[in-house]
Amino acid sequence: NAGVMQNPRHLVRRRGQEARLRCSPMKGHSHVYWYRQLPEEGLKFMVYLQKENIIDESGMPKERFSAEFPKEGPSILRIQQVVRGDSAAYFCASSPEPLANTGELFFGEGSRLTVL
Amino acid sequence: GDSVTQMEGPVTLSEEAFLTINCTYTATGYPSLFWYVQYPGEGLQLLLKATKADDKGSNKGFEATYRKETTSFHLEKGSVQVSDSAVYFCAQKGGGTSYGKLTFGQGTILTVHP
Repeated sequence: NAGVMQNPRHLVRRRGQEARLRCSPMKGHSHVYWYRQLPEEGLKFMVYLQKENIIDESGMPKERFSAEFPKEGPSILRIQQVVRGDSAAYFCASSPEPLANTGELFFGEGSRLTVL
Repeated sequence: GDSVTQMEGPVTLSEEAFLTINCTYTATGYPSLFWYVQYPGEGLQLLLKATKADDKGSNKGFEATYRKETTSFHLEKGSVQVSDSAVYFCAQKGGGTSYGKLTFGQGTILTVHP
């Protein structure tokens, strides 16, 4: 039973380019969460999605960042016109039920974005 | 707002030593508390949790007790092993419909030497 799969594991972009990070949740999980970890900081909540719907995006920067979780395929976190401050580890997590019910998330290994 | 503060690392111990990693939180209401662990090359995984005051979470020899009076959830293990080397994250989930908002501490790197 595969865990949460994220790709790419490492991504290098120049300022102004676009970054796309993908996340395939565990089988049977329809709830996906994205977190960001800046250097020397803890993981910060970005967005919570449930198949085709954004449930809570209160942690997403207002500009350049977007997320989707289509009916078919992985969840995508998209960062347009990247800047150096976007360099971070981006973690995806999934759960079979809303976090409010279970309190447990299953995390991927993260995607490390470096902006030159 | 809600926050979690962990003791700063890194922490380096010899095998069979006693481990404590401090964690305190600030929250409105009564959050659920968690310890997650990230082994090298892997994603975070839940280590233990406690959902109300005085609850003790335990797993793999690790323990943590939810102390409302001191707003703490310190992680302890009586005898660490080399295989416990990892990054440990304390986290909280607020009450009500908090959706995906786990609030994490900054993580503590633990290295155990033989």
